[in-house]
Amino acid sequence: GNSVTQMEGPVTLSEEAFLTINCTYTATGYPSLFWYVQYPGEGLQLLLKATKADDKGSNKGFEATYRKETTSFHLEKGSVQVSDSAVYFCALSRNTDKLIFGTGTRLQVFP
Amino acid sequence: GAVVSQHPSWVICKSGTSVKIECRSLDFQATTMFWYRQFPKQSLMLMATSNEGSKATYEQGVEKDKFLINHASLTLSTLTVTSAHPEDSSFYICSARGHSNQPQHFGDGTRLSIL
Repeated sequence: GNSVTQMEGPVTLSEEAFLTINCTYTATGYPSLFWYVQYPGEGLQLLLKATKADDKGSNKGFEATYRKETTSFHLEKGSVQVSDSAVYFCALSRNTDKLIFGTGTRLQVFP
Repeated sequence: GAVVSQHPSWVICKSGTSVKIECRSLDFQATTMFWYRQFPKQSLMLMATSNEGSKATYEQGVEKDKFLINHASLTLSTLTVTSAHPEDSSFYICSARGHSNQPQHFGDGTRLSIL
């Protein structure tokens, strides 16, 4: 079946450090891939997405590239800020209806 | 951008009571709404999908009679947790989508605590 695997957290970084959160997926065909961010006590916000192989999604300094050969969609940011502290969810969708989420990775950024 | 409002944001009630959670799309017509449940430090699990004017489609293992979903208009869906018990305590999140090629927009969630 379709599934998403994320690296376990928490990921703890100092401000301005480089961030990578790994995400791999299992799916038939060509799913759309997403990164969502959840700030404490809030719902999810779409951070970025990619709908086909080699697409790069980007937003607010975050980037992720849809790699079909490695079935990955790793999230990266060159210089994190304290305000980036949140839980990040990788997700896929096969038919634009159901979203299948990974378990989430908590990011903690310290000044 | 698209806004989804969820109410209440936090509710505490006694065991055995029923609790209703509202999910509204404020600036678009939500053809489809989704209800998720999130346990502490875990991912979101889809509970059900509802299309306006139709019965909700529940995921395997979700009790239909326990979690009543109504999607009577293009801007409002409700989730009613009937005869709630402590094990129903969780964070419930709704999302809404317009057309099928549009992304889901999430509400801020409702934290439900059953004493």
